[in-house]
Amino acid sequence: GQNIDQPTEMTATEGAIVQINCTYQTSGFNGLFWYQQHAGEAPTFLSYNVLDGLEEKGRFSSFLSRSKGYSYLLLKELQMKDSASYLCAVRGNNAGNMLTFGGGTRLMVKP
Amino acid sequence: DAGVIQSPRHEVTEMGQEVTLRCKPISGHDYLFWYRQTMMRGLELLIYFNNNVPIDDSGMPEDRFSAKMPNASFSTLKIQPSEPRDSAVYFCASRPRAYTDTQYFGPGTRLTVL
Repeated sequence: GQNIDQPTEMTATEGAIVQINCTYQTSGFNGLFWYQQHAGEAPTFLSYNVLDGLEEKGRFSSFLSRSKGYSYLLLKELQMKDSASYLCAVRGNNAGNMLTFGGGTRLMVKP
Repeated sequence: DAGVIQSPRHEVTEMGQEVTLRCKPISGHDYLFWYRQTMMRGLELLIYFNNNVPIDDSGMPEDRFSAKMPNASFSTLKIQPSEPRDSAVYFCASRPRAYTDTQYFGPGTRLTVL
């Protein structure tokens, strides 16, 4: 099975940088995803890592270390609209390559 | 494409009533997933289909829950009888094939069982 841990809540200031960590223990690994979910809305895809290293997409970057079972999502130049929950999800290598989600990190951006 | 479509968006019912949630996946997607999200348990996979066939329903909480996918463009999740603890947001998601990058979520159905 999968066990995924991420902080429950974080607070940061507009314009700053914030790093959201995710650790996982898994019986099979085939990639790690980050999703953003605004209150009352569906999760939307942010990033995907399957190899070690950093993937950059504009203000958002995601890092993966498979040997450490660790990932982080880095948000730069924070904006108020970045206030949302951020979900870490691990894809298994089972038949359906299903995703197992962490509990999510609720990020509050303050002025 | 219109994305994944779910109906209703909100459902309020009384304990013991039957509830049916509906989902239309993105055309051409081979996989369909039903999730439930609560504050306590987060986002949980209930069941998924591949080419309309149920593959893994190990996440379905109990026999009161059932899901069908009669064709590639329609799926239902039924709860009978409903209980207050079933109150949650139910998401449907679809994905093109096994090794694509992501799955696409519908807007969700917020279910309240009184």
